[in-house]
Amino acid sequence: AQKITQTQPGMFVQEKEAVTLDCTYDTSDPSYGLFWYKQPSSGEMIFLIYQGSYDQQNATEGRYSLNFQKARKSANLVISASQLGDSAMYFCAMREGGTGNQFYFGTGTSLTVIP
Amino acid sequence: DVKVTQSSRYLVKRTGEKVFLECVQDMDHENMFWYRQDPGLGLRLIYFSYDVKMKEKGDIPEGYSVSREKKERFSLILESASTNQTSMYLCASSSGTPELVGYTFGSGTRLTVV
Repeated sequence: AQKITQTQPGMFVQEKEAVTLDCTYDTSDPSYGLFWYKQPSSGEMIFLIYQGSYDQQNATEGRYSLNFQKARKSANLVISASQLGDSAMYFCAMREGGTGNQFYFGTGTSLTVIP
Repeated sequence: DVKVTQSSRYLVKRTGEKVFLECVQDMDHENMFWYRQDPGLGLRLIYFSYDVKMKEKGDIPEGYSVSREKKERFSLILESASTNQTSMYLCASSSGTPELVGYTFGSGTRLTVV
């Protein structure tokens, strides 16, 4: 079974609007971390936001927030007030606490912000 | 500023050549990783290393080998390059502490095998 599932290969959003990128995960480890990375066309992976499995509140970093629903095993990224520079690939990833340091990545969502 | 540096951004090699992709980190991280990225497939783990001279196979190790002689350097080796190894290669490192911290990535190497 896939550890991380991103079901949206491509998304479009109007500039200044909010957008939600979906991510579901699969793990039996009680301790894990969920991450979102942004990859612009330059290729570099940029860390955006982190959510720990024991965190009670949803993580926020500026215009990014992570909608963490533990029972549903979902960790959706919400980008508010989209900007043209947000156009990029977005990857959801998980690191399990008990089985080493490997990350599992989703297949990514390509976000295009329309002016 | 802490960094993971990959020696080449773009590389073109011929089929059958032996190819070395170099990755250096300056954060004293224990863990280093090599991924390849292909459209629609996301990032797939090739090899990783928890310590000097240690290596573990990832999900797609066939056709690749690695070397970690020093803590800061992790090299990916394509023994005999083939066209199906044309891809984007990403190196990453992370701390070995128990906290679930993230990776730091290099800027990637786009390899084309002709």
